[in-house]
Amino acid sequence: ETGVTQSPTHLIKTRGQQVTLRCSSQSGHNTVSWYQQALGQGPQFIFQYYREEENGRGNFPPRFSGLQFPNYSSELNVNALELDDSALYLCASRGGRSTDTQYFGPGTRLTVL
Amino acid sequence: SQQGEEDPQALSIQEGENATMNCSYKTSINNLQWYRQNSGRGLVHLILIRSNEREKHSGRLRVTLDTSKKSSSLLITASRAADTASYFCATDGGGGGADGLTFGKGTHLIIQP
Repeated sequence: ETGVTQSPTHLIKTRGQQVTLRCSSQSGHNTVSWYQQALGQGPQFIFQYYREEENGRGNFPPRFSGLQFPNYSSELNVNALELDDSALYLCASRGGRSTDTQYFGPGTRLTVL
Repeated sequence: SQQGEEDPQALSIQEGENATMNCSYKTSINNLQWYRQNSGRGLVHLILIRSNEREKHSGRLRVTLDTSKKSSSLLITASRAADTASYFCATDGGGGGADGLTFGKGTHLIIQP
């Protein structure tokens, strides 16, 4: 157990809809990152939030957006869902005494029909 | 895009044998991390090795890093059935993590009892 939790566990949406995924970071961690993992692939970096501001972004379009709250929990929002958005979405937190190691949550499995 | 490439893509060995996985990457790094993933769920951090380190041990795990060849290896000694999982290397280019971790596609390890 990493102390990072995500909700929901599974989600089914249809193309064109919008979705919000949630993440609670490990206590004391002020940095949250989100990753997308397609089936059979390694995770790909979406973006990172540090103290409520986005400070890094991977190669994902603007319809992927996020928020980080004062308690360092985070949301990932995806608008205008496409079939290729079907994936496992992972959040990871880091900070405190171990600033380089990222601690991952169990993920949210999103299926877009 | 994926920076790292793990080799082999899949590995099947008998319980008690040693398992070796390799990772190659393309750009300079601050550190390299190895993760384990069971059945498409969250990633578990195994070990982190910094760019100025050459070898690191943690329990049955041994990681080496050769920055001149841009490669790393993960050795699991005395394998157990519970080690069956996918293993990913991930590179951190530094910069406060603003570029996130860059993962390879992983090695799927099967330990046969």
